Amino acid sequence: GESVGLHLPTLSVQEGDNSIINCAYSNSASDYFIWYKQESGKGPQFIIDIRSNMDKRQGQRVTVLLNKTVKHLSLQIAATQPGDSAVYFCAETDGSGNTGKLIFGQGTTLQVKP
Amino acid sequence: DAGVTQSPTHLIKTRGQQVTLRCSPKSGHDTVSWYQQALGQGPQFIFQYYEEEERQRGNFPDRFSGHQFPNYSSELNVNALLLGDSALYLCASSREAGQYFGPGTRLTVT
Repeated sequence: GESVGLHLPTLSVQEGDNSIINCAYSNSASDYFIWYKQESGKGPQFIIDIRSNMDKRQGQRVTVLLNKTVKHLSLQIAATQPGDSAVYFCAETDGSGNTGKLIFGQGTTLQVKP
Repeated sequence: DAGVTQSPTHLIKTRGQQVTLRCSPKSGHDTVSWYQQALGQGPQFIFQYYEEEERQRGNFPDRFSGHQFPNYSSELNVNALLLGDSALYLCASSREAGQYFGPGTRLTVT
């Protein structure tokens, strides 16, 4: 069935280190993959997305890698800061573009130690 | 430029009651989606509205219904509330690219 999962529920990193959050997906027909950040008491905040015909996309301090062979997605955060502490969700679309139904994973909690 | 707004912020209802949640999309957005997020879980898609019609629906019972108005704002209605309906209800708006979420409405059913 539909599922998007994350490999680790909690990731703890030292401030200044790089963080890598992983995600596995199951739907080969997904055309977009998106990373969201959710802080306590707030709605998910868009970080970065990647189309299924790409394997890497970079933003400000973030990089998303897509490996369609093993259905794996990762989010890399460079020089992690305390403000990066949050729950991170990967989401995939159902093939209807990045404005269609999003299928979310369970989430990974990122804890940044000062 | 205001982002997605939702009201109310918090709501407490009793089992069996009905509730209406409201969403105003980001300026320029014409599509509204609703998601339910249980504690400790990822959001789950309820349905999406475009041009005042339900365009897509997730695996939610008919107790969950919605509406979109000509100004693109939207309402989510839930009838015959169950304890299991307690969750954060998120609205996301979009137009051509990407979905942007509001802060959510925290619904507690007692």
